[in-house]
Amino acid sequence: SYVLTQPPSVSVAPGKTARITCGGNNIGSKSVHWYQQKPGQAPVLVIYYDSDRPSGIPERFSGSNSGNTATLTISRVEAGDEADYYCQVWDSSSAHVVFGGGTKLTVL
Amino acid sequence: QVQLVESGGGVVQPGRSLRLSCAASGFTFSSYGMHWVRQAPGKGLEWVAVIWYDGSNKYYADSVKGRFTISRDNSKNTLYLQMNSLRAEDTAVYYCARDRTAMVVSDDAFDIWGQGTMVTVSS
Repeated sequence: SYVLTQPPSVSVAPGKTARITCGGNNIGSKSVHWYQQKPGQAPVLVIYYDSDRPSGIPERFSGSNSGNTATLTISRVEAGDEADYYCQVWDSSSAHVVFGGGTKLTVL
Repeated sequence: QVQLVESGGGVVQPGRSLRLSCAASGFTFSSYGMHWVRQAPGKGLEWVAVIWYDGSNKYYADSVKGRFTISRDNSKNTLYLQMNSLRAEDTAVYYCARDRTAMVVSDDAFDIWGQGTMVTVSS
């Protein structure tokens, strides 16, 4: 089955840039979606189809996908961005949705 | 407004059954694929099942296949998850979620999520 690998944690100072990676075999050939989840809340979609932003998501959130790595980039990080972030793809070979293990973003 | 509201969670003994519901409002429910996603305490998101907008296809995670059944009643704008032979490892918050694009199947994102309903499997 298809596996997505995320770093368990990423730390960044306020105002700096955070990059959260999502690794998978030839993930660049798939569409990657990213979710933000704060404690006690449901996930929120922040990036879809690799790099598109839903309405209401700040331009500070961006995404890219190539080769074996997809990346969620958060520019000018704010304290309110502290959350868990999950990547997600559809694995057509198994007809399964796959989530990465999640990355806890800490704002120092 | 566009909304999903789950219900039916609770405490259940191992081996017993439970049915979750997800009431949709504010959009044309019959046009969207729907999913169940769960999250064990302190753990990450785990996809459980999907049903296409017209109910023509259903797919399940290996961990629940043969025990869980996803269904929908488009006349009632409601999604269901029938959970049989429950195990301790099924303990989790269960979310329903909507595909972002109407009439699209497979690789879409989930743009609307419910608030979740907690299922605890314990003797």
